[in-house]
Amino acid sequence: KAGVTQTPRYLIKTRGQQVTLSCSPISGHRSVSWYQQTPGQGLQFLFEYFSETQRNKGNFPGRFSGRQFSNSRSEMNVSTLELGDSALYLCASSLGRGGTDTQYFGPGTRLTVL
Amino acid sequence: GESVGLHLPTLSVQEGDNSIINCAYSNSASDYFIWYKQESGKGPQFIIDIRSNMDKRQGQRVTVLLNKTVKHLSLQIAATQPGDSAVYFCAETSAGGTSYGKLTFGQGTILTVHP
Repeated sequence: KAGVTQTPRYLIKTRGQQVTLSCSPISGHRSVSWYQQTPGQGLQFLFEYFSETQRNKGNFPGRFSGRQFSNSRSEMNVSTLELGDSALYLCASSLGRGGTDTQYFGPGTRLTVL
Repeated sequence: GESVGLHLPTLSVQEGDNSIINCAYSNSASDYFIWYKQESGKGPQFIIDIRSNMDKRQGQRVTVLLNKTVKHLSLQIAATQPGDSAVYFCAETSAGGTSYGKLTFGQGTILTVHP
């Protein structure tokens, strides 16, 4: 089975721009979670989508948003980029039945904001 | 100003030694715990998990111990190999409730295995 894929792998943007990141889950997985990883804050939960609905949300500003499509693929968008948004953005997929379903992570998208 | 990054704990061992990585969790309501391994340039990789109704679980070369009284988790790696060098994270969540998809991660521990 193919793993979680994320595109693009690397991205460079400037302050004020917006960016869209994509995540394709493992086949059959209906839940996609997004995380931000930085040296200063570690791994932090952004949000989770299941069946095209956001079920859970972390403590991030409204500039961070996401969506999920009927094929379970997910995108996250960051608007009005700030220097502090530079990070590794990871998505993880799971069956989505409950909290004990294992989350499998993709390789991440490295975003650099200049 | 200059940002201050997390200063991750480090563990340095010789190949063949046993390694023990510790983690303190914060949420008393958490009842499901997972260990992940992250190698440079990769996403976290699932290693082993444990539910709160257990205090020990074994996998291949790995054992997780859970002490709910002091909210402590440990990962033991037997016969550590150079390929085990990575950052190890513990994560916690709740099996039920509304914690859908939300893992809360520890700060991580850098394991370096010397040949």
